Amino acid sequence: DTAVSQTPKYLVTQMGNDKSIKCEQNLGHDTMYWYKQDSKKFLKIMFSYNNKELIINETVPNRFSPKSPDKAHLNLHINSLELGDSAVYFCASSQGNPFNEQFFGPGTRLTVL
Amino acid sequence: AQSVTQPDIHITVSEGASLELRCNYSYGATPYLFWYVQSPGQGLQLLLKYFSGDTLVQGIKGFEAEFKRSQSSFNLRKPSVHWSDAAEYFCAVGITGNQFYFGTGTSLTVIP
Repeated sequence: DTAVSQTPKYLVTQMGNDKSIKCEQNLGHDTMYWYKQDSKKFLKIMFSYNNKELIINETVPNRFSPKSPDKAHLNLHINSLELGDSAVYFCASSQGNPFNEQFFGPGTRLTVL
Repeated sequence: AQSVTQPDIHITVSEGASLELRCNYSYGATPYLFWYVQSPGQGLQLLLKYFSGDTLVQGIKGFEAEFKRSQSSFNLRKPSVHWSDAAEYFCAVGITGNQFYFGTGTSLTVIP
């Protein structure tokens, strides 16, 4: 059974389009995250949701909007995609805060042309 | 500003050799400290973490790390590397306010 799953695995799109990435976890965790990993492998937290409420919102453009319909799902919607949005996006989950073990999904490679 | 530094971008070791990956942090107090590993094409997995107590921490896959307050370091070690250890290794810190930061990563290549 996959603990943290993301769809799609690859996403290729044109500049200006709107796209979504879905994430689901079956671990029963109450906190979920989105991370962005750039081409140099630098990994930065974007958002954190605890019990469907936004806890951490690092400085990211407001074109990025997370949505959490329930504790097991955290989707990422991106409007007006730009070249600089090309990266690998990871979803993760943990129980409580990020200092507890985080379980990561396999990542979504987004390429903006 | 808080920071996590991994001085070695890339390390190459022979299979069976020992390994040490360096991590330094910049923060006023002692943060929570972590090492995660990312195998090619996969998400990250926690190797070990340090919150308090014994400064030598044992983790999974035969890894250990030592916290040295005087050097603001949390270096990862393994006595004998296996080919399957080839991966990207990330040090991370957690500080008050649920802030969590990854280092820039060290890529490990293992030569047969």
